[in-house]
Amino acid sequence: DTAVSQTPKYLVTQMGNDKSIKCEQNLGHDTMYWYKQDSKKFLKIMFSYNNKELIINETVPNRFSPKSPDKAHLNLHINSLELGDSAVYFCASSQRQDRNLYGYTFGSGTRLTVV
Amino acid sequence: AQTVTQSQPEMSVQEAETVTLSCTYDTSENNYYLFWYKQPPSRQMILVIRQEAYKQQNATENRFSVNFQKAAKSFSLKISDSQLGDTAMYFCAFMKQVGAQKLVFGQGTRLTINP
Repeated sequence: DTAVSQTPKYLVTQMGNDKSIKCEQNLGHDTMYWYKQDSKKFLKIMFSYNNKELIINETVPNRFSPKSPDKAHLNLHINSLELGDSAVYFCASSQRQDRNLYGYTFGSGTRLTVV
Repeated sequence: AQTVTQSQPEMSVQEAETVTLSCTYDTSENNYYLFWYKQPPSRQMILVIRQEAYKQQNATENRFSVNFQKAAKSFSLKISDSQLGDTAMYFCAFMKQVGAQKLVFGQGTRLTINP
């Protein structure tokens, strides 16, 4: 069973289109994230949700809108795609227990290519 | 704000050798977590090892161990008896113990194990 699953794995689309990436976790974790990995492999957080509540919203264009219908799902919708949005997008989840945190569990990533 | 620096963009060693990847970080926090993640060509992000800052003992996981120097804000990863499957990007990451569970990543080190 996949712990954190993202769909699609690859997405090629034209500039100006609107697209969504879906993420689901079956670990029972309370917190989910979206990270962006650029062409130089640098990973940077975009959003974080805890029990459906937005808790981290980094400096991200408002064309990006996360949606969390329940704590097991965190989707990412992108409007008016631009060439610079081409990247790998990772979903992840985590759980804090007794002030300990064991790191994130990541999905396998979605490679978005805007042409 | 926390920053993580990996000063070695690329490294290359022969199979069975030992290799050490460097990581330094900057924070004013006293309690935090440090992680090493591996990203092989498959793109999957895999947790290699974690360290709690309040523990003086260095973490070990089979062939992987860390040298955690809190005063120097240094967190290096040692891979012993390196194997071809260790070829990957390695990312050092930092997370505060309290507050939002945000992982801050270094730039990554591309490690190649040669036969």
